[in-house]
Amino acid sequence: EAGVAQSPRYKIIEKRQSVAFWCNPISGHATLYWYQQILGQGPKLLIQFQNNGVVDDSQLPKDRFSAERLKGVDSTLKIQPAKLEDSAVYLCASSPRRGSGYGYTFGSGTRLTVV
Amino acid sequence: GENVEQHPSTLSVQEGDSAVIKCTYSDSASNYFPWYKQELGKRPQLIIDIRSNVGEKKDQRIAVTLNKTAKHFSLHITETQPEDSAVYFCAASKENQGAQKLVFGQGTRLTINP
Repeated sequence: EAGVAQSPRYKIIEKRQSVAFWCNPISGHATLYWYQQILGQGPKLLIQFQNNGVVDDSQLPKDRFSAERLKGVDSTLKIQPAKLEDSAVYLCASSPRRGSGYGYTFGSGTRLTVV
Repeated sequence: GENVEQHPSTLSVQEGDSAVIKCTYSDSASNYFPWYKQELGKRPQLIIDIRSNVGEKKDQRIAVTLNKTAKHFSLHITETQPEDSAVYFCAASKENQGAQKLVFGQGTRLTINP
């Protein structure tokens, strides 16, 4: 089966600019996650979708970050305006079904550098 | 919310020796505990997981143990090989509004010395 697709792989922007990341989960996976991984740290959940509805966005900095998952498939994560501390790898993941006890499949991530 | 602590942050062992990484979690409702391996510049990949109704699980050279009472779980790698060098993350999860939510530890950088 195809994996979780993300683009772009790398992005360099200046602070205060905007940027968008795209994710296509594994076909049929209802749950989609966006994680932020700062260098040397574990992934931190930003937002979780179940189909096209938001389940958890408690750690999403909503003043600058937004995400959507139209039609319950692809998702985009946007940062506007970006800050230096947003430099990180943004990982998208999906899991196959409702409930707990199923490992995620991660995409390759987008490495964002804000200068 | 859930908090996962992972130790040590770095670990260096001789090839062929065993490596042990430990994690503690705070939410007694967590019921699923996966371990991920992340090589430099690559995505985290699931290597083994355990559910709360099981105390131990093995897969070749890798094993995970879970102590629900103490709220800690550990990854054991035996007969380590150079390709085991990577960053390992533990995570804890419980069901959240019909879907699971993984909370990750800070990671352990494992180096296998030849």
